[in-house]
Amino acid sequence: SAVISQKPSRDICQRGTSLTIQCQVDSQVTMMFWYRQQPGQSLTLIATANQGSEATYESGFVIDKFPISRPNLTFSTLTVSNMSPEDSSIYLCSVIPRGYEQYFGPGTRLTVT
Amino acid sequence: GNSVTQMEGPVTLSEEAFLTINCTYTATGYPSLFWYVQYPGEGLQLLLKATKADDKGSNKGFEATYRKETTSFHLEKGSVQVSDSAVYFCALTNTNAGKSTFGDGTTLTVKP
Repeated sequence: SAVISQKPSRDICQRGTSLTIQCQVDSQVTMMFWYRQQPGQSLTLIATANQGSEATYESGFVIDKFPISRPNLTFSTLTVSNMSPEDSSIYLCSVIPRGYEQYFGPGTRLTVT
Repeated sequence: GNSVTQMEGPVTLSEEAFLTINCTYTATGYPSLFWYVQYPGEGLQLLLKATKADDKGSNKGFEATYRKETTSFHLEKGSVQVSDSAVYFCALTNTNAGKSTFGDGTTLTVKP
């Protein structure tokens, strides 16, 4: 299993600012994933972050808007840049330590005003 | 590409009623299938999983069977409780990519 923590748990930000979300895992994992869950909707994958390489972004998401760092095998950050109200969502970090069982962090609830 | 289609909600049941939430999928290769649950104000938790055809995942009285012939993974519980009220997500993980595709979620409300 894997225990994942995220910081902050929630934040209220002003339009045009940026927020960096941290994800910490209690074990070393190769792949980490960042998801977005907009209000009342399902999860959408933003990007896959592997240690030592550039993140791979899904269609509709770009590095300038969502830069990701992955400095080691237990930590990653996602930055939401130049925020607008449409970025108000829950942002979730997840890992697959082995096999195909995916573990999720508690999420960061972001509100942009 | 991969896709997951869930039964539309919301679903409202009385306590001790039988629950079925339908889930069908489209995928290349041989995906693993999952049900996740999200309680109000909380993150996602894995409820159960099945990694190959005819596997049955079970947990907390919930069951789902991986049916390759019908590409389905329906969630069932014989007697729901108020504490089962949550949003349920069906998902698949493609063995090659390692990332998951989620259904839209089904909100279940159980009334006493």
